[in-house]
Amino acid sequence: DAKTTQPTSMDCAEGRAANLPCNHSTISGNEYVYWYRQIHSQGPQYIIHGLKNNETNEMASLIITEDRKSSTLILPHATLRDTAVYYCIAAGNNRKLIWGLGTSLAVNP
Amino acid sequence: GAVVSQHPSWVICKSGTSVKIECRSLDFQATTMFWYRQFPKQSLMLMATSNEGSKATYEQGVEKDKFLINHASLTLSTLTVTSAHPEDSSFYICSATKRGGQETQYFGPGTRLLVL
Repeated sequence: DAKTTQPTSMDCAEGRAANLPCNHSTISGNEYVYWYRQIHSQGPQYIIHGLKNNETNEMASLIITEDRKSSTLILPHATLRDTAVYYCIAAGNNRKLIWGLGTSLAVNP
Repeated sequence: GAVVSQHPSWVICKSGTSVKIECRSLDFQATTMFWYRQFPKQSLMLMATSNEGSKATYEQGVEKDKFLINHASLTLSTLTVTSAHPEDSSFYICSATKRGGQETQYFGPGTRLLVL
């Protein structure tokens, strides 16, 4: 599975959009980009995933570059409850998720 | 929906005892369930993958005789930590993928184990 690189931490003002970047330059053609988040002392929560097209759901939007070497998770209107560690994972058909340390997002009032 | 529950949410036990953790998919049948462990300030580490009715596949370095996994049905998997020691104290998290669906993993809330 491809390695991903994310900033260690980010800050965002409440009500503004949070844009979380992820680099996955070695991603292979059959690997999806998954985003999860983990609020302190809880299990991870699935957010969104995509292969090559941009995706949107009720939680977030996922923008994948045309070469698929990077992506951005967008939380359109961040709230205090969005404070969490966000993980970007490239995973193929073997279904194993390799977890890095993610980006710790702090949403400030 | 895709709701996964775990029981208990936390447990304290004495060294040398065994602890069983249950993982249930509440509103879907799970093809595969995964067990992870997370130490403080670290990321999730996959321990094993289990499919209903077959033996679990353990990751390198995870002792299968110490961490017993039973996947008895399409909605239930159990992890038993046998002869627990203080170094087994951790946050144990399960996940499940939907039968017939994509391979997205849905996670339980986790079980915090403290071995005294």
